[in-house]
Amino acid sequence: NAGVTQTPKFQVLKTGQSMTLQCAQDMNHEYMSWYRQDPGMGLRLIHYSVGAGITDQGEVPNGYNVSRSTTEDFPLRLLSAAPSQTSVYFCASSYLTTGGSDEQYFGPGTRLTVT
Amino acid sequence: GESVGLHLPTLSVQEGDNSIINCAYSNSASDYFIWYKQESGKGPQFIIDIRSNMDKRQGQRVTVLLNKTVKHLSLQIAATQPGDSAVYFCAENGNFNKFYFGSGTKLNVKP
Repeated sequence: NAGVTQTPKFQVLKTGQSMTLQCAQDMNHEYMSWYRQDPGMGLRLIHYSVGAGITDQGEVPNGYNVSRSTTEDFPLRLLSAAPSQTSVYFCASSYLTTGGSDEQYFGPGTRLTVT
Repeated sequence: GESVGLHLPTLSVQEGDNSIINCAYSNSASDYFIWYKQESGKGPQFIIDIRSNMDKRQGQRVTVLLNKTVKHLSLQIAATQPGDSAVYFCAENGNFNKFYFGSGTKLNVKP
């Protein structure tokens, strides 16, 4: 298993540009999520999905869109990049249990800089 | 929103000593907690978890304690090794499918 993969590893954008961060998992996990991590801080949930066709907002969803057309893929779209979106982005996936989402497996991250 | 915080932002310990990292959470309805380890430049890595129907859970060299009365979580690492140097995060599943992370504690292990 490759686990959770993310592309690209690094990206520099100009203000106003749009782009898509890719995330894929091969563990047949129902739950997938996107987090951002700012320097010296913990992770904040952007969006999550409990299955194909189902997405929901996390703590900090503004400026980001997601879709879940397949179980494996969960891309994150930045609509119009702003310097405040400079961060490291992590994708994670897990099984869903009767108590909610379970232990999450994280990808290696995408380091995004917006100038 | 939810609040998960840590008491000590940096912890320095001698190799071989035991380490204790603490975490406070604010949502009394949270029923699932995870400790993660994050090494520089990498994604968080699962260490151990605990559900709210338990007070203690042990893994290999690690123990998590949960005190629901005071909404406190701790991670104990026995015989700390240089490879344990990292940032440690606690996270709570405070709203079914939403995880809230603390700001992290950096553990420095001195040889």
